[in-house]
Amino acid sequence: DAKTTQPTSMDCAEGRAANLPCNHSTISGNEYVYWYRQIHSQGPQYIIHGLKNNETNEMASLIITEDRKSSTLILPHATLRDTAVYYCIVSPPFNTDKLIFGTGTRLQVFP
Amino acid sequence: GAVVSQHPSRVICKSGTSVKIECRSLDFQATTMFWYRQFPKKSLMLMATSNEGSKATYEQGVEKDKFLINHASLTLSTLTVTSAHPEDSSFYICSAREQGSPYGYTFGSGTRLTVV
Repeated sequence: DAKTTQPTSMDCAEGRAANLPCNHSTISGNEYVYWYRQIHSQGPQYIIHGLKNNETNEMASLIITEDRKSSTLILPHATLRDTAVYYCIVSPPFNTDKLIFGTGTRLQVFP
Repeated sequence: GAVVSQHPSRVICKSGTSVKIECRSLDFQATTMFWYRQFPKKSLMLMATSNEGSKATYEQGVEKDKFLINHASLTLSTLTVTSAHPEDSSFYICSAREQGSPYGYTFGSGTRLTVV
């Protein structure tokens, strides 16, 4: 079973920040938080990952709470092309363990 | 970055025939690849773990005789849907991870299978 909980859907206006929450209250000490997104009829795309510090890359920022029980993915300036299903997954980083997807959050960016 | 190529992107086949889907890691070696299927508006469901040079590990409820997986090299895994039926129609996706990389898994673009 997936070890994360996410809202089913969210809306965001184009140009505004999209903040997608994820609850992972049972995360283990060696597990990272990974975010992927899946645009309609495509394979999932890696976005970002982190352990306990906040992370930022060219796509997004990841804010992880101090107790690591939850996190938020931030798309700073959402565009229509960011409309997708966003998956939050916890997993150890350096092995080849299977990746289990939860239900994800369907983000709809509107004009 | 790491690239996973999946082929074909879509295929239509007749009931009772078999279909092979290929998954290739283009610029890295993958001792392990994963196969998922996805129904419309649903999440990805892991079907099996493909291990180079050994038998695949199937998830509970997945028929290994229907979904044949072969991982003959470090860059290629294949999924063969045998004796396909309309209920096998789905979106099939593979993924792989470059060994030693912390940057997560790379996914193929998926294969839309329609059985008529």
